[in-house]
Amino acid sequence: SQTIHQWPATLVQPVGSPLSLECTVEGTSNPNLYWYRQAAGRGLQLLFYSVGIGQISSEVPQNLSASRPQDRQFILSSKKLLLSDSGFYLCAWRRNEQFFGPGTRLTVL
Amino acid sequence: AQSVTQLGSHVSVSEGALVLLRCNYSSSVPPYLFWYVQYPNQGLQLLLKYTSAATLVKGINGFEAEFKKSETSFHLTKPSAHMSDAAEYFCAVSDRGTGFQKLVFGTGTRLLVSP
Repeated sequence: SQTIHQWPATLVQPVGSPLSLECTVEGTSNPNLYWYRQAAGRGLQLLFYSVGIGQISSEVPQNLSASRPQDRQFILSSKKLLLSDSGFYLCAWRRNEQFFGPGTRLTVL
Repeated sequence: AQSVTQLGSHVSVSEGALVLLRCNYSSSVPPYLFWYVQYPNQGLQLLLKYTSAATLVKGINGFEAEFKKSETSFHLTKPSAHMSDAAEYFCAVSDRGTGFQKLVFGTGTRLLVSP
């Protein structure tokens, strides 16, 4: 069976610090991968998606970037965090529908 | 562009009462439609999906939804609410097809269940 992992589960970072969130999928190959952000009181916003290694598409201009160094690994990064980067970050992969990871709660202070 | 509107950011029901969560979509062609549930500090779990087979779709945990093209709606219902149904529910829409899938989510409805 397929599983999706995200870490860390929670993170508190100061403004201006770097960020690296990791997502890995097990039990499947060449999945479509997605990063979403869920801000307080808002729905889910698609940030990035990837259809293959090294192929990243950005949905919105922002302070974040994404990379896919391996088939089943998707990384979300930032060089300098902003207060507005706080939120719940969800990774997802797709077969017939999208399956979501457990999420990372990021608080920028 | 596709969009989804969920009416009511919060819905309160009593245990045993009917649950009705509303979702209206905007799409130029009949889309795929989804309902997801999110428990606190967890990821999203798929409840059910509509992909153009039967218009009445049954999902997990006793939920169902009916696709009504004339009303551009995909409301989620459950005959009898349980305390464990308290969560946030998201409606989402995507284009048809087996290629890259972009989900557009509504802003969510928080379901509160009182004893």
